[in-house]
Order: sequence, then C-alpha cells, then structure tokens
Amino acid sequence: DIQMTQSPPSLSASVGDRVTITCQASQDISNYLNWYQQKPGKAPKLLIYDASTLETGVPSRFSGSGFGTHFTFTISSLQPEDFATYYCQHFGYLPLTFGQGTRLEIE
Amino acid sequence: EVQLVESGGGLVQPGGALRLSCAASGFTLSTYWTHWVRQGPGKGLEWVARIRNDGGPTTYADSVKGRFTISRDNAKNTLYLQMNSLRAEDTGVYYCARDNPPRRLDPWGQGTLVTVSS
Repeated sequence: DIQMTQSPPSLSASVGDRVTITCQASQDISNYLNWYQQKPGKAPKLLIYDASTLETGVPSRFSGSGFGTHFTFTISSLQPEDFATYYCQHFGYLPLTFGQGTRLEIE
Repeated sequence: EVQLVESGGGLVQPGGALRLSCAASGFTLSTYWTHWVRQGPGKGLEWVARIRNDGGPTTYADSVKGRFTISRDNAKNTLYLQMNSLRAEDTGVYYCARDNPPRRLDPWGQGTLVTVSS
C-alpha cells in the first residue's frame, strides 16, 4: 500500500497569512494526488485534483503542486472560512490512502 | 443537482450486522465507479471499498475484507454496504463518494454514523 505522510499535523495562522501543507508519498504516484477540505460534522470537499488542477468553483487562493512523491498545498491569503482540516489522498491504485490530515486553526 | 444521501447507520452490538444505503440523484450511479470511505471518531479518512460501473470485481480494504460487501441496485440508483461481524473498530461515519474521472472523489454524501458497542 502507498503511505501518505502529511505535515504538519496542525497549524495556527491568522487571516491573511500564507500557509503551506506538504504530503509525501511512499512511492512514485505521478500527479495522482488530490486535496480535500473538511469542516467539523461535514463531508470532505474536493479542492484540487491531479496535484495542481483547481476543482470548479474553488477560489484561486488555493493551489497545489508536485509530482512523483513530494506535493505541496498552499492557501495564499487565509480567509475566515478556510479554517478546517485538510487531507491529501493518492489516486494511483487501490487501496486509496489519505494523509493523516492537517488541522488549520485560528491563531 | 448531483447528490448522494446515505442512510442505515445506527447502534449495533459487536458481531452484529448493518446495511448502509447511498441513494444517488442527478446522475446514474451505474455509469460511475463508487466508493465507501469511513472516518473513526476524531480520526482521519480510511478507504473501505469500491465497485466498478461495469459490475466487475469489487475491491476492499484488508481491514474489512470478508466481512463487508459493496453492491448496487441500478433500478433504485442506490449503492449499498453490507457490514457483517462488526467490531468496535468499525465505529465511525461512513461516506459514499463518486469516482469522478479523472481520479477524483466527488461528490461525497453527508455520511451516516455507525456505532458498534455493547
């Protein structure tokens, strides 16, 4: 199985800050990497697929990059509604696996 | 509107069984691969099972293989997860999600809570 190592596990930041989350795959997954946002009591929401493609309707302050085993997710200027937990997920082959999550909190 | 709605969760004793349903609207479920993903209390996301659109082989996480069965009723446009021999560690919120090409889980249902406890 492919292991996804996500860091940091938690992050405190302020509105307007730029934040970056990283995800490392245990083997080459090309660009088959997605990022999801999850708010308490809600289902995950797809933000980015294929490592860097923004899902329709997702604000442009969200971005992703990477290829192979190392990936990054960035929010360029935090908004109040962005405080949530973020997960990376590989889509190379089954079983699909997720990173452990990054909880983004208000500083 | 493309939507998935889960139901069937509840409290069940260890060793018991439960069947979850996921009703699709706004699209035809049988034209997509679909998945079940779960989330333990305060924990991360864990993929559980997938069914293909062509009725081909189903695939399961090792943690549920031999106990859970994913299936689909095309006439009802509904996905199911039959869960047998339930354990405490199966407790959590269960989500269904569409495999939306290329390589995306979208949308997700709102989730249904399964609690395995005596």
